[in-house]
Amino acid sequence: DIVMTQSPDSLAVSLGERATINCRSSQSVLYSSDNKNYLTWYRQKPGQPPELLIYWASTRESGVPDRFSGSGSGTDFTLTISSLQAEDVAVYYCQQYYTTPPTFGGGTKVEIK
Amino acid sequence: EVQLVESGGGLIQPGGSLRLSCAASGLTVSSNYMTWVRQAPGKGLEWVSVIYSGGNTYYADSVKGRFTISRDNSKNTLFLQMDSLRAEDTAVYYCTRLHLRVAFDIWGQGTMVTVSS
Repeated sequence: DIVMTQSPDSLAVSLGERATINCRSSQSVLYSSDNKNYLTWYRQKPGQPPELLIYWASTRESGVPDRFSGSGSGTDFTLTISSLQAEDVAVYYCQQYYTTPPTFGGGTKVEIK
Repeated sequence: EVQLVESGGGLIQPGGSLRLSCAASGLTVSSNYMTWVRQAPGKGLEWVSVIYSGGNTYYADSVKGRFTISRDNSKNTLFLQMDSLRAEDTAVYYCTRLHLRVAFDIWGQGTMVTVSS
């Protein structure tokens, strides 16, 4: 199975400041046939199911605010929140579907400083 | 509006069985890749199973041989039959749709399963 490792485990950011979350996969999740990274980011607010933010490493899901962006390729990826809002207090997960079983990172908890 | 609504969770003794249901509206279960993902209390997300539109099914090693995913096309409903339940199966179980073979884009609210004597 592909192991997904997120860092940091938690971070506290002031409102309006930038938050950066990292995700590393134990093997490349870049499919050569379509040149897409099978890497997805989710936000899970307290008491709610996860919601899709970014797929193919950098494609923003419809309706997701443009303060969220994803980057990276191969084994190293980053989720950036350019200007943290109060509603972004949540746990963020990365996930790969390069192979079955799909696997998730351990999560990064984002709080307000 | 697309919606997934899970039901069937509850408290069950170790070794027991439970069947979860996921009623879909706004999408056709049989035309999509439908999955179950679970989350133990205070823990992260764990994929459980998927059923492809063609009917192929796949399972996490932790549930293989004990859980069965299926669907009823006439009821537009997804199921998860869980047998030989263990304490470590205690979790919120989410029904989700796999989109573009990469991301889970639609999630239900989840149903809680507690395995305890």
